[in-house]
Amino acid sequence: QKEVEQDPGPLSVPEGAIVSLNCTYSNSAFQYFMWYRQYSRKGPELLMYTYSSGNKEDGRFTAQVDKSSKYISLFIRDSQPSDSATYLCAMRTPRDSGSARQLTFGSGTQLTVLP
Amino acid sequence: DGGITQSPKYLFRKEGQNVTLSCEQNLNHDAMYWYRQDPGQGLRLIYYSQIVNDFQKGDIAEGYSVSREKKESFPLTVTSAQKNPTAFYLCASSIAPSGLNEQFFGPGTRLTVL
Repeated sequence: QKEVEQDPGPLSVPEGAIVSLNCTYSNSAFQYFMWYRQYSRKGPELLMYTYSSGNKEDGRFTAQVDKSSKYISLFIRDSQPSDSATYLCAMRTPRDSGSARQLTFGSGTQLTVLP
Repeated sequence: DGGITQSPKYLFRKEGQNVTLSCEQNLNHDAMYWYRQDPGQGLRLIYYSQIVNDFQKGDIAEGYSVSREKKESFPLTVTSAQKNPTAFYLCASSIAPSGLNEQFFGPGTRLTVL
């Protein structure tokens, strides 16, 4: 079983739709949670990050963490064709742990927003 | 203009050859990383380096080698021992070890074995 599971999609939605992207994880020591966006044939770029449980909002994007369920989500409101990309979740343990320097990535969800 | 550069963008290798992928950063980051990305498998860590002249194996280091002689450079050699090297290779860097450890990625090199 992978430490981080992410539905690979592909996910196709009409412009303006609300998109929900999700990851589950098995390591309860994860405390930093990130979402990266990767356009085709490009490197990933950090979109949002959260620490521990709760919600964080940035414009049309909301990141949500539920540590009790080991589940994180990224919501995109009023989705745009420019949001079409692969979204990768990533997470890591606290910095004083042995694996603190490594990120564990999900496999990525490919999203297409149709105009 | 700060960032991470990788070269070449596309690389073709014959079986049995070693090839070296370049990664340079001018962000003054201490840590650098190499990942391999295959369809449906996300990013897998090959090697990482926290400081010059020091590096550690990641999850899939077999068949790869690295060096870190300069802070800004972290080249990856794909050796003939790597049985399935065709993939998209990503280099990243971060200020380490601290806090979020946000990793900044380069544009990637797509390696194809002929």
